Amino acid sequence: DTAVSQTPKYLVTQMGNDKSIKCEQNLGHDTMYWYKQDSKKFLKIMFSYNNKELIINETVPNRFSPKSPDKAHLNLHINSLELGDSAVYFCASSPAWSSYNSPLHFGNGTRLTVT
Amino acid sequence: AQKITQTQPGMFVQEKEAVTLDCTYDTSDQSYGLFWYKQPSSGEMIFLIYQGSYDEQNATEGRYSLNFQKARKSANLVISASQLGDSAMYFCAMRSLIQGAQKLVFGQGTRLTINP
Repeated sequence: DTAVSQTPKYLVTQMGNDKSIKCEQNLGHDTMYWYKQDSKKFLKIMFSYNNKELIINETVPNRFSPKSPDKAHLNLHINSLELGDSAVYFCASSPAWSSYNSPLHFGNGTRLTVT
Repeated sequence: AQKITQTQPGMFVQEKEAVTLDCTYDTSDQSYGLFWYKQPSSGEMIFLIYQGSYDEQNATEGRYSLNFQKARKSANLVISASQLGDSAMYFCAMRSLIQGAQKLVFGQGTRLTINP
């Protein structure tokens, strides 16, 4: 059973296109996240949703729009893709904050390549 | 602002030896959490160990232990009896809580290679 699943695993597209990455978790967690890992392996948070409410939005260009239709899903839509958007995008989830020592559970990542 | 520093871009260790991966952090928060994650070449992020800022004992999980020195602001990962499968990128991260969400700030990572 995959706990946090992302689709697609690989995404190759041209500059200017619009694309979406889907994420689903079956852990019953309240909070979901998107992280970006650049070509130097540096990981940075982009967004976080808690019970479908946007909690964290880290100075990400507004071409990136997260959407959470329900607690178990957090999709990432990217408009007008640029070369610099090429990266690995990780979805993650965590339980309620009261479980303070519970780690984030990450999906396996989506490698986005913009040509 | 929180900051995590991992000063070892790469480390090479012989199989069965112990290895220490360095992590220092900077924060003005009194309450925080420190995590270590492993990223093998296949790309997934695997949680290894957690240490809370108020935990008095150093965390241990099997072959992994966390050498937490609060006054020095360091949280080094110790892997005992290294195995070939330990070859991977290792990330230290600091957690702050924002309205129920966990914001992780990651270090640059250390690439560990275990030699047979």
